[in-house]
Amino acid sequence: SQELEQSPQSLIVQEGKNLTINCTSSKTLYGLYWYKQKYGEGLIFLMMLQKGGEEKSHEKITAKLDEKKQQSSLHITASQPSHAGIYLCGADRTGTASKLTFGTGTRLQVTL
Amino acid sequence: GAVVSQHPSRVICKSGTSVKIECRSLDFQATTMFWYRQFPKQSLMLMATSNEGSKATYEQGVEKDKFLINHASLTLSTLTVTSAHPEDSSFYICSARRFGRETPYEQYFGPGTRLTVT
Repeated sequence: SQELEQSPQSLIVQEGKNLTINCTSSKTLYGLYWYKQKYGEGLIFLMMLQKGGEEKSHEKITAKLDEKKQQSSLHITASQPSHAGIYLCGADRTGTASKLTFGTGTRLQVTL
Repeated sequence: GAVVSQHPSRVICKSGTSVKIECRSLDFQATTMFWYRQFPKQSLMLMATSNEGSKATYEQGVEKDKFLINHASLTLSTLTVTSAHPEDSSFYICSARRFGRETPYEQYFGPGTRLTVT
């Protein structure tokens, strides 16, 4: 079984709608990272969360980490076509920040 | 910002041949680089951690004799797929951690290399 699960696996939303992507770990994390990937391209760093209950925002994207540091959500407000892509959460399980374990990914499409 | 490049971006090779993929940090020094593999519609899987001047650390299940990693300088790591077979066809992505920084916040990803073995 996957140690880091993302839901939903894919999502189609109309432009202007809000959406939420979840990332759940079976173990407590030292850190949780969100990346965006366009098909066939590298990863773009979005946000990093380290403290239980932490919340960060950048433009129309907000990420939260729960108090137990096992679940994170990524919320996009008023989605735009530029938000389309694959969203990946990455977990730091060792506390040494030396490598990341990635979630299964969520493919987002934004329709006009 | 920090930029990581990969070369080539796409490569097609015949079964049995070897292919070298380069990962370069263009404007910073990277003591540690990571190599990932991604299959279609799947997540990234860490293959190995490459440290400058020392042997790479491979993840469980990754054949070190098949995927040769060399990190000869603070700005360059190479992955060589030896005796490639069609099942090695995949998208290979590297990342580089900025020298002196200890958090993945400073881990920058390359654009990836798509390998197709015929």
